[in-house]
Amino acid sequence: DVVLTQTPSTLSATIGQSVSISCRSSQSLLDSAGNTYLYWYLQRPGQSPQLLIYLVSNLGSGVPNRFSGSGSGTDFTLKISGVEAEDLGVYYCMQATHAPNTFGAGTKLELK
Amino acid sequence: QVQLKESGPGLVQPSQTLSLTCTVSGFSLTSYTVSWVRQPPGKGLEWIGAIWSGGSTDYNSALKSRLSISRDTSKSQVLLKMNSLQTEDTAIYFCTRGDYWGQGVMVTVSS
Repeated sequence: DVVLTQTPSTLSATIGQSVSISCRSSQSLLDSAGNTYLYWYLQRPGQSPQLLIYLVSNLGSGVPNRFSGSGSGTDFTLKISGVEAEDLGVYYCMQATHAPNTFGAGTKLELK
Repeated sequence: QVQLKESGPGLVQPSQTLSLTCTVSGFSLTSYTVSWVRQPPGKGLEWIGAIWSGGSTDYNSALKSRLSISRDTSKSQVLLKMNSLQTEDTAIYFCTRGDYWGQGVMVTVSS
């Protein structure tokens, strides 16, 4: 199975600070049709996960444009340009290129 | 609007079989894949399995021997069955379309 390694595991930020989370895959997530099925989710405390980014860099419905995704192959990044209080929680990357789907271990974003 | 709602027993005895139902609305199961994801208390997300729009299934490698996912399109329901439950299977179980998630159902495995 594909292993996704997220770093850091915990991220402390102040409001307004820009931060990045890395997600590295044990194998390329580019499929034979040229698609890369890499997603980012945010899980706020006590809530279900929310889709932020799909297919590496596409913003989910209703997601603020301070969130952005980038990367290719095995290296991917989620960037938040100006953290707001509502962004606190745990961020997960997930791949769906290679069955079975797998999640990263998560990155907890907390206030400094 | 799109909604997914999980239902099932909150408590299951060890070695027994868990049966969960995901009832969806606002979309057709023949057009979208629905997955099951679980989260043990205080831990991360674990993908359990999925049923594709065409009806085929994929399962988590570690759980495959204990799992079955099926659907009843007439009732807009996706069914999860997992046998030989152990305490490590205690978790919140979510069903998801990827862009929409249910609220989750807490399942505790205990005698």
